[in-house]
Amino acid sequence: KNQVEQSPQSLIILEGKNCTLQCNYTVSPFSNLRWYKQDTGRGPVSLTIMTFSENTKSNGRYTATLDADTKQSSLHITASQLSDSASYICVVSPPSYKLIFGSGTRLLVRP
Amino acid sequence: GAVVSQHPSWVICKSGTSVKIECRSLDFQATTMFWYRQFPKQSLMLMATSNEGSKATYEQGVEKDKFLINHASLTLSTLTVTSAHPEDSSFYICSADTLAGTLQETQYFGPGTRLLVL
Repeated sequence: KNQVEQSPQSLIILEGKNCTLQCNYTVSPFSNLRWYKQDTGRGPVSLTIMTFSENTKSNGRYTATLDADTKQSSLHITASQLSDSASYICVVSPPSYKLIFGSGTRLLVRP
Repeated sequence: GAVVSQHPSWVICKSGTSVKIECRSLDFQATTMFWYRQFPKQSLMLMATSNEGSKATYEQGVEKDKFLINHASLTLSTLTVTSAHPEDSSFYICSADTLAGTLQETQYFGPGTRLLVL
């Protein structure tokens, strides 16, 4: 069964600190892996998208990595800001178009 | 970047009434649009896949007669919740597909519509 699992489920960090979110998947094959940020009450916003042949992709303070051998991805947030408080969702896209969503990591950045 | 809008952003209705939600791709044409439902603290659940000019494909367990989907053009899809009941209260999100058929294919999500059925 295709699955995407994220950890931790929730995370609290102080403003200015870095953090890393994890995503393990069993989906195979897949076209791409994406990380989305979802603010409360809003739709998900794309942060990064990587094909299976890419190892890393950056978008400002967000850096995603992908290890296709171990089927793991991570999202690293540098110098966190209060506005980074949100849910971060790892999504794997198999060739069928149906996205497979992780359950998300809820991040809270405190002053 | 690609922009997807939804209207309305929130709606409150009485039980038994029907509610229509619009999803528009503002700066690109989307041959495929998707409708999701999200309950509090849960991830998005795909309800149906909508292709322009053809019938929507519903996921298992989603009643097609209750959730009517129309994809009349390459930039507009609508979801109508018929005879809404309190258990239909949820956050409904649409997405539109771009770069279809490529490895960079991605879905851009709308801002969501919060439905509360009293």
